Amino acid sequence: KNEVEQSPQNLTAQEGEFITINCSYSVGISALHWLQQHPGGGIVSLFMLSSGKKKHGRLIATINIQEKHSSLHITASHPRDSAVYICAVKIGNEKLTFGTGTRLTIIP
Amino acid sequence: NAGVTQTPKFQVLKTGQSMTLQCAQDMNHNSMYWYRQDPGMGLRLIYYSASEGTTDKGEVPNGYNVSRLNKREFSLRLESAAPSQTSVYFCASSLGQGGGGYTFGSGTRLTVV
Repeated sequence: KNEVEQSPQNLTAQEGEFITINCSYSVGISALHWLQQHPGGGIVSLFMLSSGKKKHGRLIATINIQEKHSSLHITASHPRDSAVYICAVKIGNEKLTFGTGTRLTIIP
Repeated sequence: NAGVTQTPKFQVLKTGQSMTLQCAQDMNHNSMYWYRQDPGMGLRLIYYSASEGTTDKGEVPNGYNVSRLNKREFSLRLESAAPSQTSVYFCASSLGQGGGGYTFGSGTRLTVV
């Protein structure tokens, strides 16, 4: 069983919809990262969380340490948000363990 | 522009050939990493370097070697390429010691035939 599980694996939505992507992990962590991978392949770091909530523009990331769960929300989604969103956790040391990603497609 | 520069972007090798993937960062990060990304799987750590002069194996090190040439550069070498090493390779860096996020290179798409 993967230590990091993301859901859904694929998500298609209409432009303007509110998007939620979930990440659950099975062990204690020191930090959780949300990454974005565009169709061209490049990976961009969106958030690093150890508690609470962070917001950047239309993106909001939350984490519940007790429940071992994090969510990434996108408000007023746009076709340019179409990408693969990856959750990764840092377990103690410096190494990250990655989820398999959620492929998001926003239809105009 | 500050960031992680990774070369080449694409490479096709024949089985048994060798090659080196280059990675350089200009953010004065201490830690550097090599990952591979395969369909249906999360990124997997091949090797990492927590600081200049140190390297350690990750999850999938077999068939690879690395060199942390200096604080900026971290190279990945395939001595005898195999079809199972067909993948997309990413270099990344971070401040290390639990600080800061990660910056990724643009990736190298490697095909071994």
